[in-house]
This record gives sequence, C-alpha cells and structure tokens, in this order.
Amino acid sequence: ETGVTQTPRHLVMGMTNKKSLKCEQHLGHNAMYWYKQSAKKPLELMFVYNFKEQTENNSVPSRFSPECPNSSHLFLHLHTLQPEDSALYLCASSRTGPHTEAFFGQGTRLTVV
Amino acid sequence: GENVEQHPSTLSVQEGDSAVIKCTYSDSASNYFPWYKQELGKGPQLIIDIRSNVGEKKDQRIAVTLNKTAKHFSLHITETQPEDSAVYFCAAPPEYGNKLVFGAGTILRVKS
Repeated sequence: ETGVTQTPRHLVMGMTNKKSLKCEQHLGHNAMYWYKQSAKKPLELMFVYNFKEQTENNSVPSRFSPECPNSSHLFLHLHTLQPEDSALYLCASSRTGPHTEAFFGQGTRLTVV
Repeated sequence: GENVEQHPSTLSVQEGDSAVIKCTYSDSASNYFPWYKQELGKGPQLIIDIRSNVGEKKDQRIAVTLNKTAKHFSLHITETQPEDSAVYFCAAPPEYGNKLVFGAGTILRVKS
C-alpha cells in the first residue's frame, strides 16, 4: 500500500462514453501526476499539478481532461476516446520540488471498445 | 529535454545469480536517479535511489552505481530470488521541474 488510491481498478468504455478516473492521496504531498503506461512503451507523463495548479501538459489530446480540486485529489475525465487510448493509467504524488520520490497508485486498466 | 535509455529490455537469470540493468541519461544537470519495481497488477514502487554526490548506494541485496561523467547508472541485484521477478524502471529528472523521465523498463525473470 503506497498511500495513493486509484478508482476504478478496471474500466471498459465505449468510444462515445464519458467516464472519470479518480486518484486520492493522504500523504501530505502537493504534487500529483497522471502517467499513461502502454505495452512495450516507457511510462508517459501526461499532466503535472503543483499546489492544485497544472504546471505541465505533455501535449495530451483534449479528450483527456484533468481536474485537481485540492492537493489530495486528482481526476482524469475521459470523453470520446479511441481504442489506442486503452492502457494502464497511473496516478502518482510527491512532495513539491525536484528530486523527490514519487508514490504511485495501482492504476486503472482502461479498455476502449 | 531528458532522454533515458534502459538495457536490456528482458533479462533471465537463475536463482542465486546476479542481475544488472543499465541506464543512460542525456541531461548532465540531472542529479537524482531512482529505480522502481513494478509487480504484476501494481503500480511502480521505489526500491532504491541515488543522488549525484555519491557513486554507489547499497541496500541489502540491491545496489545502484552512478557514473556522472559517462552519464549512466546501473541497478545491481545479488542472490536473486523468484520474488525479484518484475519489471524494473530507471528514471531521471530534467534540470527543471519536479517530474521524472522513465526508461522503457526491463522485465526480469528469476528462474528457480
């Protein structure tokens, strides 16, 4: 148990659906991240939030919409996804500042049909 | 930006043998190098990290070595056990920002 909880663990959605992924941490961290993990590819950073403010969007398509209402919660809203968006979506948190350990959740396995 | 390359992509060893995974990075300003282990159905978990003011760090059967001049660092696992079987990722941060750039991962299989 890393202290970072993601729900749901598994999600199957159609291309016309709208769904949301949730991430929660109570580690006192002020930085939160979304990563995408596809088969045979490195972990891809999608978004970075520091103190609830988005500080990085790594050229992610607009069909992925993040939301960070407070330092403990992070959402990823999904709409009009494509089959190639099927992947494991990982949330992580850390203390703010460089060179600090990132704590990962167990991920949401997303399948787009 | 930072580029991290990791080798090998897969590694099979006999139980009790040693395993070595190597990573190179491109940003000479990087000074923090973590290694993560990802077991099936779980997210990556930090197993050891090293900062650029030291050349080696050891924690029981796991060690990491760093060569800043050559810009590479390695993970060493001695006396491997079946439970060491997992995917291992190295990472390095770019000079600015609190993010990590990950290597592509190494699938380690320890055969008993």
